[in-house]
Amino acid sequence: GDSVTQMEGPVTLSEEAFLTINCTYTATGYPSLFWYVQYPGEGLQLLLKATKADDKGSNKGFEATYRKETTSFHLEKGSVQVSDSAVYFCASRGYNQGGKLIFGQGTELSVKP
Amino acid sequence: GAVVSQHPSWVICKSGTSVKIECRSLDFQATTMFWYRQFPKQSLMLMATSNEGSKATYEQGVEKDKFLINHASLTLSTLTVTSAHPEDSSFYICSARGGRGQESNQPQHFGDGTRLSIL
Repeated sequence: GDSVTQMEGPVTLSEEAFLTINCTYTATGYPSLFWYVQYPGEGLQLLLKATKADDKGSNKGFEATYRKETTSFHLEKGSVQVSDSAVYFCASRGYNQGGKLIFGQGTELSVKP
Repeated sequence: GAVVSQHPSWVICKSGTSVKIECRSLDFQATTMFWYRQFPKQSLMLMATSNEGSKATYEQGVEKDKFLINHASLTLSTLTVTSAHPEDSSFYICSARGGRGQESNQPQHFGDGTRLSIL
């Protein structure tokens, strides 16, 4: 079945450092891909998404590009802030899946001042 | 933007009691709602999918008699944990989606979660 794999955390960075969180997926067909962010004690917020190959999703300085050839959707940010500290989830949603999201295991990011 | 309200945010109760969690879509019609369970430092596990006016579809391994889901209106779904025990303690999160049909491409909007602690 469909699956999503993320790099393990926790990831600890200094403020203004460059961030990459790797995400790869397996799916039949071409799923839509998402990044969600979860702040402590809260639910998930959609950060960005891409619905087809070569699409780039972007929001709040974060970017991710849908790479069909490598089945990847890596999250990047050029300069992280302390307020970016959270858990980041990569997710896919395939067709004929009843709209279900398949989540990766989450990557905890801690940004130090 | 769309808002999903989940209530209560935190509940502590004794073993053997039943607990009801509400999930409301505040500014859109939620034709489909999803209920997830999240263990500490782990990903979200989908428990069930409910479409307004019909029975919920449970994922494999989820006891439907233990976790009762009702989706009686386009703005409200409830999850009732019946005869709760300490192993049911977890973080429960709902999400809601508008649009018609199972393959609606409307985004899922998540509630802030409910932390359930069973003593």
